[in-house]
Amino acid sequence: GQNIDQPTEMTATEGAIVQINCTYQTSGFNGLFWYQQHAGEAPTFLSYNVLDGLEEKGRFSSFLSRSKGYSYLLLKELQMKDSASYLCAVRAGGYQKVTFGTGTKLQVIP
Amino acid sequence: GAVVSQHPSRVICKSGTSVKIECRSLDFQATTMFWYRQFPKQSLMLMATSNEGSKATYEQGVEKDKFLINHASLTLSTLTVTSAHPEDSSFYICSARGASGGNEQFFGPGTRLTVL
Repeated sequence: GQNIDQPTEMTATEGAIVQINCTYQTSGFNGLFWYQQHAGEAPTFLSYNVLDGLEEKGRFSSFLSRSKGYSYLLLKELQMKDSASYLCAVRAGGYQKVTFGTGTKLQVIP
Repeated sequence: GAVVSQHPSRVICKSGTSVKIECRSLDFQATTMFWYRQFPKQSLMLMATSNEGSKATYEQGVEKDKFLINHASLTLSTLTVTSAHPEDSSFYICSARGASGGNEQFFGPGTRLTVL
């Protein structure tokens, strides 16, 4: 099976930078996703990493280290609308299924 | 991006009845669809992986006779919750991967099931 860990909750200030970490243990790794989910809504795709390094997309960046089983999502210039849950998900195995972590609930405060 | 729809968006049913939820890929062919369940304040739990034209692969602990999955075409998968009970009340979300095998999974908007 897979073991995916991320902090349960985080609080950050509007305009600041926040880093959400995710560690995982799996076999047959084939990519790591970050999703954003607002309460009562389906997740929306943020980023995908399969090679080591940093992927930047506007205010959001995602980093992956396969050897360490570690990823982080970096959010810059935080806005109030960024308050949401951020889900780390790992794709692995023969069926290429994507398994989600428990999610990190981010609260952005003024 | 690609669009995945789910129907109904919300359903309330009596205990013991069956409920069918449809998941459609609107502008692409989905060879693989995934069904997730999400309880309040929890993350998405994968229930099963559905491949077009073959039997679904269920995750450990998910009863295949209770949660019937049919993936009859490249654009439609259905999840039927049979003999629903209050503990089946949850947010059910499907996602789909395209036939081209791209990296992204596209999620439907979800179906809120409430069993009385």
